[in-house]
Order: sequence, then C-alpha cells, then structure tokens
Amino acid sequence: EADIYQTPRYLVIGTGKKITLECSQTMGHDKMYWYQQDPGMELHLIHYSYGVNSTEKGDLSSESTVSRIRTEHFPLTLESARPSHTSQYLCASSLPGTYNEQFFGPGTRLTVL
Amino acid sequence: RKEVEQDPGPFNVPEGATVAFNCTYSNSASQSFFWYRQDCRKEPKLLMSVYSSGNEDGRFTAQLNRASQYISLLIRDSKLSDSATYLCVVNGGNRDDKIIFGKGTRLHILP
Repeated sequence: EADIYQTPRYLVIGTGKKITLECSQTMGHDKMYWYQQDPGMELHLIHYSYGVNSTEKGDLSSESTVSRIRTEHFPLTLESARPSHTSQYLCASSLPGTYNEQFFGPGTRLTVL
Repeated sequence: RKEVEQDPGPFNVPEGATVAFNCTYSNSASQSFFWYRQDCRKEPKLLMSVYSSGNEDGRFTAQLNRASQYISLLIRDSKLSDSATYLCVVNGGNRDDKIIFGKGTRLHILP
C-alpha cells in the first residue's frame, strides 16, 4: 500500500467558505500532484510540484492554490468555495524521472452547497 | 490528435473471456507507459508498467508498439473482479516529464 494520505475524506461545506485539503506522503517523493475528477469522468491535473518551493498550474484551470513548504506535505486551498468546486480531489506523488509511477491518495470528496 | 486516446467503452464481456484494449499516444518521444486500474469512486492504482519487450503478470499482458504509437492490455480468463476502468498513462517526451492520463476504458465483466 502506498503511504499517501488525504484529509478529510469527505467534506460538505457552504458557499463562500475557505477550505484546505490536506495531502501528505511518507515516501520522500519529490513530485506531487493534485487532480480533480468528477464521477465517471477523466482525471484533470490542476497543480503539481517538483519539490519544496516549487508549484505549477496544471492543464485544467482551477481557482485553488497550493503550497509546498515541506517535501511530505502538499495542501490545496480554496479561498471561497462555490458549488462548481464540487468534485473529487486526488493527490498523488512519485519519484523523479520518467519511469516512476504515481501513487494516489484515497481522495477527498468535496460537496459545496 | 489527442495526446493519449482510449476507447471509453464500456466493454461488456462474459466471465472467462479474453478482452483486449488499446491506447494510442501522439508524442513519439514518450518514454514510459503504464496501465492503471480505477474502481468506482476509488483512486487509480498501478496495474502494470509497459516495457518495450512487453510484459506479463498472471492473466494480464501489456505490450508496446512504438512504431504505431500504441500500447495494449490483454486480460485472459476475465473475472468479475476485473470490472473497473483501465487508464492508459504515458510519461516523458519533454523536459518536464509530463504524465498524461487517458480518459479510461470501462470494463464490465458479466456473470
């Protein structure tokens, strides 16, 4: 089993609230990712990081922000949640290089009312 | 042409049958390839890496065809538990080692 954790697993919150989704991994992986996935739909990369103090936007425009202050921690923040943010958010990590697979966390299912 | 393309399915296959699906990729410089499995409402998990020489893991066989730019996954003697979405993943080919996930192929094994 991969050692990558996400909290909370489920979150129901009202519009306008600020939320932070936590992601931690104990594998020492430099590369970390955030994906957004609606039920039955494809994964969309929204943020990634190649290491401490490195963050990049992914392919899908997102109103969320991320930070990477520690190798093991890659939190995602929404300053003002909206119903359109309702989705599943998956965090992943990998070793550097092109031949290393990604390990995924269990995901956070977010519902914004 | 999309970077990674898969037939979305669903493939409805009777238990015990053999099923195969392909995935095409557009970047000829891509360097590594994977098949992931994703169960409903769960996270993707690595099923197998795809090597140039092809590889086999039990009932699963993956192959790479660089000339035609596709990878394949063959499942023999399919089980009900094989029902899932299978994601094709292509990595590399540019400086930032970008990982591209396909949209997935849905497989339903019928009893």
